[in-house]
Amino acid sequence: GAVVSQHPSRVICKSGTSVKIECRSLDFQATTMFWYRQFPKKSLMLMATSNEGSKATYEQGVEKDKFLINHASLTLSTLTVTSAHPEDSSFYICSARWADSQETQYFGPGTRLLVL
Amino acid sequence: KQEVTQIPAALSVPEGENLVLNCSFTDSAIYNLQWFRQDPGKGLTSLLLIQSSQREQTSGRLNASLDKSSGRSTLYIAASQPGDSATYLCAVNSGYSTLTFGKGTMLLVSP
Repeated sequence: GAVVSQHPSRVICKSGTSVKIECRSLDFQATTMFWYRQFPKKSLMLMATSNEGSKATYEQGVEKDKFLINHASLTLSTLTVTSAHPEDSSFYICSARWADSQETQYFGPGTRLLVL
Repeated sequence: KQEVTQIPAALSVPEGENLVLNCSFTDSAIYNLQWFRQDPGKGLTSLLLIQSSQREQTSGRLNASLDKSSGRSTLYIAASQPGDSATYLCAVNSGYSTLTFGKGTMLLVSP
C-alpha cells in the first residue's frame, strides 16, 4: 500500500514559537493532502485540504493565519503552527490522495505537539 | 452536514469472543465507507473499505457490512485476540475530498 510519512513524530515547544510539521508521500504523487487534528478521545477533525501548487482550503473555524499550509510539490506538504499556544497541543495527522482518485486517503503516523 | 456516530464508545471482552462494532451516518449519499484501526499515539491503519454499491467486505477475521439506505455499517471481529485491542474508527466519504470520522470505539480484549 501507499506510504505516507510525517516528521517529526513528536515535538515540544515553548509558547509563542512556531513549529513546522512535514507530510510526505513516499511512493506516489499526492495531488491532494489533508491535515487533521485529533483531541484525546475525540474524532479526527479535518483542518484543511491542500492541492499541489494552490492555496489550501480551510474548514470553518480553522485560522488560516495560524495554521499555515504549503503544498509545494507532489510529495510534500507542510503545516506550520505559528505563535503556538498550549491550546494548540494536539495530535496532527496528514493524509494523501493521488490524482483523480475518490478512493481511500493514505494516512501518516501523526505528530504529537505539546506546547508548554 | 454528515454526522457519524459509533456505538459503543468502549468495549471490553475476553479473548475469543466474536464482537460487533456499530457505525451510523446521517446522510446516505456516500461514496464509500472505511474502517480504520488506531493504536494509542499512532496514526490510522486502514482495515476495510466498502464502496457505496457493495454490501460487505471481508479481510481475515474482519467483516464489514454496509446498509447505505439505513445509514449503518457494522464491523464484525471474529475470535477476538488481545492484539485486536485498539480504537476502531469509522469514516464516511461523502464526496471527492470529504471524510467524516466517528469518535471511535475503544476495544480492549483481555487474555
